[in-house]
Amino acid sequence: EIVLTQSPGTLSLSPGERATLSCRASQSVSSSYLAWYQQKPGQAPRLLIYGTSSRATGIPDRFSGSGSGTDFTLTISRLEPEDFAVYYCQQYGSSPITFGPGTKVDIK
Amino acid sequence: EVQLVESGGGLVQPGGSLRLSCAASGFTFSTYDMHWVRQATGKGLEWVSAIGTAGDTYYPGSVKGRFTISRENAKNSLYLQMNSLRAGDTAVYYCARSRGYYYDSSGYYVPRTFDIWGQGTMVTVSS
Repeated sequence: EIVLTQSPGTLSLSPGERATLSCRASQSVSSSYLAWYQQKPGQAPRLLIYGTSSRATGIPDRFSGSGSGTDFTLTISRLEPEDFAVYYCQQYGSSPITFGPGTKVDIK
Repeated sequence: EVQLVESGGGLVQPGGSLRLSCAASGFTFSTYDMHWVRQATGKGLEWVSAIGTAGDTYYPGSVKGRFTISRENAKNSLYLQMNSLRAGDTAVYYCARSRGYYYDSSGYYVPRTFDIWGQGTMVTVSS
């Protein structure tokens, strides 16, 4: 089973700043099958990025993903008030699929 | 509007059973693989079951033999029968739709990403 580690645990930033979130896998993720989700309190997760760098339908272009192998990054170019949330990475390169523990982006 | 609505959660004693339901609308339910994903309070996400369009089912080791996923396409409904429940099964259970699947190099089923989620239903296992 691939274990995903996310860092930092919490990122405190101001609106307008750039956010860089990391996801590291315990072994290489096949075919760069890495996704990112956003979750706000009391809500279900929302798919942001799939295949490392493809944005899901309706996701604004301030969200971008990159990486390969074991190291992946989600970047939010300029934080909007609605972007403060918890972000999870997910690998679907092998069974069972697994999720990271999450990074909370909160308002500084 | 594409929507998934879960129901059936509640408080159950250890060793007990519970059946969750998920009502789908706004898309052709029968053509999608469907899943249950759970989240313990303050914790991350864990995939707990999948069912393909042909009724084939898949589980991780943590729930295999205790949980049973099923679907009723005529009713656009997904179910999760949970038996022998433990305190560690306490979580919000989400119904989710996946964007396809494949079989990995070892022949195991691998769902892709989850593009539609329900709002979740809480399951608490406690005496």
